[in-house]
Amino acid sequence: DAGVIQSPRHEVTEMGQEVTLRCKPISGHNSLFWYRQTMMRGLELLIYFNNNVPIDDSGMPEDRFSAKMPNASFSTLKIQPSEPRDSAVYFCASTRLGNEQFFGPGTRLTVL
Amino acid sequence: AQSVTQLDSQVPVFEEAPVELRCNYSSSVSVYLFWYVQYPNQGLQLLLKYLSGSTLVKGINGFEAEFNKSQTSFHLRKPSVHISDTAEYFCAVSEFTGGGNKLTFGTGTQLKVEL
Repeated sequence: DAGVIQSPRHEVTEMGQEVTLRCKPISGHNSLFWYRQTMMRGLELLIYFNNNVPIDDSGMPEDRFSAKMPNASFSTLKIQPSEPRDSAVYFCASTRLGNEQFFGPGTRLTVL
Repeated sequence: AQSVTQLDSQVPVFEEAPVELRCNYSSSVSVYLFWYVQYPNQGLQLLLKYLSGSTLVKGINGFEAEFNKSQTSFHLRKPSVHISDTAEYFCAVSEFTGGGNKLTFGTGTQLKVEL
């Protein structure tokens, strides 16, 4: 199994630009999670999906952030417009039956 | 609501010495407990988990943890650490909700193994 796949691994953009992060969960997993990790705030859950349906988006910081899961094998996290304070490492994780979560390698986002 | 406390933000230890990383949690219902490790510039990797059964759980790389319900703790231990154990360690708790369970993570403990 290839594990959770995230792209891009690194993204550098300018303030105001739209950023789209992508995630492919492990095949057969029915839950998908988006996290953000920063030095100041640690690891924060942004949103999670069960069976492609968003269950809890209370961690999404602002309306500039949106996430979609159009099918069981793909999810996106979009930031529009991006701001320097959005700079962080964004992780995607997936799980089956609600047990251990398998994390992707992360996308390191830098907003200048 | 569930929460996790990792009291030690950094733990320095010499190679081959034992180590304990502390984790306490709070929850009003039954929980699952996890320890994850994060090496520099990598994602989180599961070390071990407690779902039910024996309260002493063994994981990868020689780590183990003990679930103590009365003290609401799940401390991580290793009898002899190696330089390669230098990493950040996260304790996490999940409440069983019947669906996809979200994890609540602690703030992490940086383990630094020195020669």
